Amino acid sequence: DIQLTQSPSFLSASVGDRVTITCRASQAFSIYLAWFQQKPGKAPKLLIYAASTLQSGVPSRFSGSGSGTEFTLTISSLQPEDFATYYCQQLQSYPLTFGGGTKVEIK
Amino acid sequence: EVQLVESGGDLVQPGGSLRLSCAASGFTFSDHYMDWVRQAPGKGLEWVGRIRDKAHSYTTEYAASVKGRFTISRDDSRNSLSLQMNSLKTEDTAVYYCARGFCYGDTCYAGGNWGQGTLVTVSS
Repeated sequence: DIQLTQSPSFLSASVGDRVTITCRASQAFSIYLAWFQQKPGKAPKLLIYAASTLQSGVPSRFSGSGSGTEFTLTISSLQPEDFATYYCQQLQSYPLTFGGGTKVEIK
Repeated sequence: EVQLVESGGDLVQPGGSLRLSCAASGFTFSDHYMDWVRQAPGKGLEWVGRIRDKAHSYTTEYAASVKGRFTISRDDSRNSLSLQMNSLKTEDTAVYYCARGFCYGDTCYAGGNWGQGTLVTVSS
């Protein structure tokens, strides 16, 4: 199984900050990675798929990059509505797996 | 508008069974892979399993933690997805989400749209 390790697991940031979350994989793969945002009590929301393709309707301040064993999600200028937990998911092989999550909180 | 509505969550004793349903609307259900994803209280997301579309023979994939106990099925005529859960364990306690898959390039991604979730509690 492909294990995904997200770092940091928690980060405290201010509105307007640039934020980067990393997802490291136990095995290398190409672009079969997605990023989700989840707010408390709500279902996850797809932000990015194929490592760097922005889902329709997602603000352009979100971007994704990477391949191999390291992928990143970047929020260029953190907005109040971005405080949430973020998860990566790999679709390279079954079983599909998620990272442990990164909680982004207000500093 | 795409809508996914889960139902069937309940309190069940260890060793018991439960069937979850997901009613889909707003898209051509038969064209899409569908996934179940769960989230234990206060924990992260865990993929449960997937069912492919008719073109791919409705084949299924499961997480090791549920394989042999859970079965995913679909009824395209009713735009409905199901998760049959048998031999339930306390560690199966979670909110269960159904999610619409979509294909891009040579792979199919999960979670293009999600339901609101249904809570399954396994406890004596």
